Amino acid sequence: DTAVSQTPKYLVTQMGNDKSIKCEQNLGHDTMYWYKQDSKKFLKIMFSYNNKELIINETVPNRFSPKSPDKAHLNLHINSLELGDSAVYFCASSADIPNTGELFFGEGSRLTVL
Amino acid sequence: SQQGEEDPQALSIQEGENATMNCSYKTSINNLQWYRQNSGRGLVHLILIRSNEREKHSGRLRVTLDTSKKSSSLLITASRAADTASYFCATAYNRGTSYGKLTFGQGTILTVHP
Repeated sequence: DTAVSQTPKYLVTQMGNDKSIKCEQNLGHDTMYWYKQDSKKFLKIMFSYNNKELIINETVPNRFSPKSPDKAHLNLHINSLELGDSAVYFCASSADIPNTGELFFGEGSRLTVL
Repeated sequence: SQQGEEDPQALSIQEGENATMNCSYKTSINNLQWYRQNSGRGLVHLILIRSNEREKHSGRLRVTLDTSKKSSSLLITASRAADTASYFCATAYNRGTSYGKLTFGQGTILTVHP
């Protein structure tokens, strides 16, 4: 069974559209994250939720809205997509905040905005 | 600003040789972690070293940490073609604006030729 699964794996869409990426973890972890990896492979945290509560909200345009219906799910909705949003988005989870342990990553969702 | 910076950016070696990657960071840390990313895949945790540790081993991996120099190194011994991947260091610090975040470097691309 996949520990952290995210869908879709690939997403190609036009500028201005709205899209969502879903993430689920079956590890029983309390904390979930969204990271963005750009074309140079630089990984930057976007959001983090702990037990459905938002604990990290980096300087991300408010077109990006995370939603955590329960602690096993963290979805990412993006409004009015722009060319610069093209990237690979990774969901991750951890048993605790990362200062004590490792992160478990999903396989990534490659978003291409045309 | 980016916390970890890896050196070299790319490393190409023959199977059986050792591979050494270095990571430098700028601020205090609680721990430093190394991750591997195969092409088109998610990140996989390799090893975690705490700020009060100097060296850690896991199989063919050896990690060192020098907090006075704010640097870490990852050594992969007797490399295999399957070790071909990008390797990232990531730092965790549980104070202030770094709370709850794992900050990644840009990675070293390792290619192991059979």
